[in-house]
Amino acid sequence: AQSVTQPDIHITVSEGASLELRCNYSYGATPYLFWYVQSPGQGLQLLLKYFSGDTLVQGIKGFEAEFKRSQSSFNLRKPSVHWSDAAEYFCAVTPGNQFYFGTGTSLTVIP
Amino acid sequence: EAGVAQSPRYKIIEKRQSVAFWCNPISGHATLYWYQQILGQGPKLLIQFQNNGVVDDSQLPKDRFSAERLKGVDSTLKIQPAKLEDSAVYLCASSLIWGGGAVNSPLHFGNGTRLTVT
Repeated sequence: AQSVTQPDIHITVSEGASLELRCNYSYGATPYLFWYVQSPGQGLQLLLKYFSGDTLVQGIKGFEAEFKRSQSSFNLRKPSVHWSDAAEYFCAVTPGNQFYFGTGTSLTVIP
Repeated sequence: EAGVAQSPRYKIIEKRQSVAFWCNPISGHATLYWYQQILGQGPKLLIQFQNNGVVDDSQLPKDRFSAERLKGVDSTLKIQPAKLEDSAVYLCASSLIWGGGAVNSPLHFGNGTRLTVT
């Protein structure tokens, strides 16, 4: 069965520091991969997606993610975090017919 | 383009009462999803529509939950009777076509309805 694991429940970083949020998936083939961000009281907003091709994908708000087939990972990165990035981040995978979400990583940004 | 619209934003009810949520997807989006997001968890799919037909409702508690999308556009999700464990945010999402794997078919979410059952 497909599954998504986000090992870090909560991460705290200082503003301006770099960020990496981890995501591991379990699926027999290469799935389609997504990162979503959820600000308090809001729905989920798509940050970026990977379907095929270049394994490093760029998204909105300066985020990027790298697909590593050998590690079944799709980690999200940002070189310099802004206070407005504080939110909940969800990794999601789909084999094509249904989305499976991780449990999320809550990001706190310290001024 | 206008986003996914949901109402109400908040609802507080007592257990055993009924409640309904409404969703209007992005214009032209054939697929509509209802997700339940319990505090501290990721969204869990309740039901998925393709136009006005149900594609997947395997995780919908059918003894108390029901959903419809009569004209293939907007949708309602109903809970009757509500239980304490139904307290959650109910998210509606839509995508252009069925199957999130298409390049132009990621999920677009509404802001959700936060339900509190007391």
